[in-house]
Amino acid sequence: EAGVAQSPRYKIIEKRQSVAFWCNPISGHATLYWYQQILGQGPKLLIQFQNNGVVDDSQLPKDRFSAERLKGVDSTLKIQPAKLEDSAVYLCASSRNSGLATDTQYFGPGTRLTVL
Amino acid sequence: AQSVTQLDSHVSVSEGTPVLLRCNYSSSYSPSLFWYVQHPNKGLQLLLKYTSAATLVKGINGFEAEFKKSETSFHLTKPSAHMSDAAEYFCVVSDRRYQKVTFGTGTKLQVIP
Repeated sequence: EAGVAQSPRYKIIEKRQSVAFWCNPISGHATLYWYQQILGQGPKLLIQFQNNGVVDDSQLPKDRFSAERLKGVDSTLKIQPAKLEDSAVYLCASSRNSGLATDTQYFGPGTRLTVL
Repeated sequence: AQSVTQLDSHVSVSEGTPVLLRCNYSSSYSPSLFWYVQHPNKGLQLLLKYTSAATLVKGINGFEAEFKKSETSFHLTKPSAHMSDAAEYFCVVSDRRYQKVTFGTGTKLQVIP
């Protein structure tokens, strides 16, 4: 089966600009996750979708970050305006069942964002 | 609240010697525990997971981990390191009540020929 797809793979922007990332999960996977991985740190969960509803967005900086998952399939994550500290790899993952804690997550290759 | 602590940020072993990557967790509810591996410029991949069945869990590439509730640990081991094991390893705890996922800060494994 095809894996989790993300685009773009790399993005360089100036601070205060906006940027959007796209993720297409594995077909049939109900749950989709967005993570932020800052260099030298573990991934931090930003938002978790179950189908097209939000399960957890407690760590999403809502003043500048937004995410949507229309039709319960692919998803976009947006940053507007970007700050220097947003430089990180943004990872998308999906899992088969509806957010069960025992689910295996399948990760995409990530989008590396550099904010200058 | 839950947390996960990876006790070593870097581990260096010689090829053919045992690997031990340490992980301690804290969780208010029965946890699920995972180890993921991230090779350079590649996506995260599941190595193994504990979901309340057997406490000794076997994963891919000869890795295994033992869930020890009394010690709140889930250490990852491998009897003999291979050069291809060089990567970053993440311990993950997932809370079964609220479905929250928390990653550790990672351990970089270096394998010396």
